[in-house]
Amino acid sequence: QKEVEQNSGPLSVPEGAIASLNCTYSDRGSQSFFWYRQYSGKSPELIMSIYSNGDKEDGRFTAQLNKASQYVSLLIRDSQPSDSATYLCAVNAATGANSKLTFGKGITLSVRP
Amino acid sequence: DTAVSQTPKYLVTQMGNDKSIKCEQNLGHDTMYWYKQDSKKFLKIMFSYNNKELIINETVPNRFSPKSPDKAHLNLHINSLELGDSAVYFCASSPGENHHGYTFGSGTRLTVV
Repeated sequence: QKEVEQNSGPLSVPEGAIASLNCTYSDRGSQSFFWYRQYSGKSPELIMSIYSNGDKEDGRFTAQLNKASQYVSLLIRDSQPSDSATYLCAVNAATGANSKLTFGKGITLSVRP
Repeated sequence: DTAVSQTPKYLVTQMGNDKSIKCEQNLGHDTMYWYKQDSKKFLKIMFSYNNKELIINETVPNRFSPKSPDKAHLNLHINSLELGDSAVYFCASSPGENHHGYTFGSGTRLTVV
């Protein structure tokens, strides 16, 4: 069973702080990695994707991938109350038509004003 | 223009009834999916279709039957609804290659009473 694990939450940080969200995956063949943000009552929204080891930055978001450790993380700098949401880690091990995103259970982030 | 649209948004029905959820995407994607999100926000894949062909069927009860009349549409029919079917059902689409995230529809909240 291919699994994606996220550290248990909820996570609460003060406004302006760095929020660090972590995720591990079991399938070493996984090739692409995604972070989705889901506001309450809304659909998941893709915010970051990463495919190679190292860091990828997009605005206040940085995704980090370490395939040797089977670990992917998301850092949110200068956290804002509008960042309060559930963050879902997703991993894709298959290719082409067999593509299948496996999700972690999500972590709820609360940013305190 | 909504990229992935689902109808209805809410569905309340009695146990034993049969219901359908419709999904359409205008992104030109080859692959479409149905995901189920339970009360704990865990997103689990149910089915995937690539260009009208069933690719993934994740041990979903036979009461669930997807149908894809063309690559832009993927419907989900559920027979003999049970209380445990209550969840949010998300349709999603992707170009079908590995290095792409999915675009999700707005979800259908199904409540079985």
